[in-house]
Amino acid sequence: AQSVAQPEDQVNVAEGNPLTVKCTYSVSGNPYLFWYVQYPNRGLQFLLKYITGDNLVKGSYGFEAEFNKSQTSFHLKKPSALVSDSALYFCAVRDQNRDDKIIFGKGTRLHILP
Amino acid sequence: GAVVSQHPSWVICKSGTSVKIECRSLDFQATTMFWYRQFPKQSLMLMATSNEGSKATYEQGVEKDKFLINHASLTLSTLTVTSAHPEDSSFYICSARRTPRPLHFGNGTRLTVT
Repeated sequence: AQSVAQPEDQVNVAEGNPLTVKCTYSVSGNPYLFWYVQYPNRGLQFLLKYITGDNLVKGSYGFEAEFNKSQTSFHLKKPSALVSDSALYFCAVRDQNRDDKIIFGKGTRLHILP
Repeated sequence: GAVVSQHPSWVICKSGTSVKIECRSLDFQATTMFWYRQFPKQSLMLMATSNEGSKATYEQGVEKDKFLINHASLTLSTLTVTSAHPEDSSFYICSARRTPRPLHFGNGTRLTVT
């Protein structure tokens, strides 16, 4: 069965420093991967996706993610963190048996320290 | 851009009563909408897929008689939590897809059953 794993429940980063939120995936075949962000008491907002092509995907708000097939990873990155980046981040993969279904990781809470 | 509106944003109800949550796609027609449930500090769990003009498809373990879904038009899906109990208290989020764009999420509804 397909899945994504986010090994960190929480990540703390000082403002201005680079940030990384980790995600690994388990699928058979080529994965469709996503990152979403959730602010308190709000729905999810789409950040970026990887389907095919360049391994470095650029998304909203200055975020990017690197697809690494050999390590089965899709880590979310940003060169310089902002306090406003503090939120809950979800990695997700499209279900290969149902293209209308997305499987979410458990989420990583990102705290940017001023 | 496409927007999904969810109403109400929060609701408190007494045990035994029913609560209806609405999900609207504001500037596009959505033949398929999705309902998720999110527990504190946990990921989103897909509850059901709402199909316009036909019965919803429920995920394994979700009680269809408990969580009634109606998708009467191309812009509106409703989730009714029937005979609510405190254990139904949760954050409910809907989403809709405007193919080929990624999913757009509502802002969620926090349900508290007393």
